[in-house]
Amino acid sequence: DAGVTQSPTHLIKTRGQQVTLRCSPISGHKSVSWYQQVLGQGPQFIFQYYEKEERGRGNFPDRFSARQFPNYSSELNVNALLLGDSALYLCASISGGQSNYGYTFGSGTRLTVV
Amino acid sequence: GQSLEQPSEVTAVEGAIVQINCTYQTSGFYGLSWYQQHDGGAPTFLSYNALDGLEETGRFSSFLSRSDSYGYLLLQELQMKDSASYFCAVPSGGYQKVTFGTGTKLQVIP
Repeated sequence: DAGVTQSPTHLIKTRGQQVTLRCSPISGHKSVSWYQQVLGQGPQFIFQYYEKEERGRGNFPDRFSARQFPNYSSELNVNALLLGDSALYLCASISGGQSNYGYTFGSGTRLTVV
Repeated sequence: GQSLEQPSEVTAVEGAIVQINCTYQTSGFYGLSWYQQHDGGAPTFLSYNALDGLEETGRFSSFLSRSDSYGYLLLQELQMKDSASYFCAVPSGGYQKVTFGTGTKLQVIP
């Protein structure tokens, strides 16, 4: 079985541009969460989607948005990029609505804003 | 809100035992998780403690004391490949938000 897949793996954007990151959860998993990890820090929660509905949102500005598709894949969009958005963006999936038994993370998308 | 504190760095010798501590302050507590992350890699789930006590999985063990808002990860028979960052984390229960600690960078030396 394929794990959580994310694309692209690396991305360089200019300030003010927009970016779309993609994630496919493990087959059969209905929930996707997005995290931002700045170098040297722990992952920070951005969004959680379950059964195509937003179930949680972290403390991020409205420039960040996401959606989940009928096949449970997901996209994270960031508008008006800032230098501070440079980070590793992680997607995680879990089979049900509870997170108690651990996420499976994808390898992430390394976003660099110049 | 939720916050988790860990030592920033720990160095240990190959073959030895190391303990990584985590103290937390949460509004609502469901359990404590641990993740390992190698440089450039994704976090990998290691363990989850919902109840007080010690959980053992091979060379790794995790302990929780809910009354002390404290837990630790114990790594035995350290190997060079254990050099990584280790994060404690608390899930929020109904939603899948997980709050991660500050992370502990473990360096295993020969």
